[in-house]
Amino acid sequence: NAGVTQTPKFQVLKTGQSMTLQCAQDMNHNSMYWYRQDPGMGLRLIYYSASEGTTDKGEVPNGYNVSRLNKREFSLRLESAAPSQTSVYFCASSYMKQETQYFGPGTRLLVL
Amino acid sequence: KQEVTQIPAALSVPEGENLVLNCSFTDSAIYNLQWFRQDPGKGLTSLLLIQSSQREQTSGRLNASLDKSSGRSTLYIAASQPGDSATYLCVLDTGRRALTFGSGTRLQVQP
Repeated sequence: NAGVTQTPKFQVLKTGQSMTLQCAQDMNHNSMYWYRQDPGMGLRLIYYSASEGTTDKGEVPNGYNVSRLNKREFSLRLESAAPSQTSVYFCASSYMKQETQYFGPGTRLLVL
Repeated sequence: KQEVTQIPAALSVPEGENLVLNCSFTDSAIYNLQWFRQDPGKGLTSLLLIQSSQREQTSGRLNASLDKSSGRSTLYIAASQPGDSATYLCVLDTGRRALTFGSGTRLQVQP
């Protein structure tokens, strides 16, 4: 099992550009999450999907959109990147919402 | 609003030492508490999960305790090894939308 995979590993964008971060899990998990990690802030939840076909806002959803494409895949889209979105983005999944979450290796995003 | 504080922020110890990492939280109404490990440039790995009704969990050289009444959890690492060097995160699930993450304790175990 690959667990949770994320692409790309690293990306540089210019302000105003758009991009999609991809996440996939092969553990048959129902719930998937997108977090951002900033120095001194801990991880903050951007969006989550409790089950296939549903998505909900987390703590910091502004500037992002998500798609739960199927049970395995959950993508995060930045429509118009801003320097404040420079961060490390982590995708995670769990069998149910209040069970252990398994994290991907992260995507480092730099917005100039 | 739930707040999670981890002390110390950084810790350096010689190999073989037993050590304790501390986590405190402000709201005792939690579903569970987890300790995660994060290696530089990597994702998070769950080490131990303590349900609200439990007092402690053990896995190998790791023991985590939970005292909801005082809002505290500790992670005890026995006979530390250089491979234990990482950032350790205390994470609370209060049943709301998001988990609450501490800022972590950065541990360095010197060979």
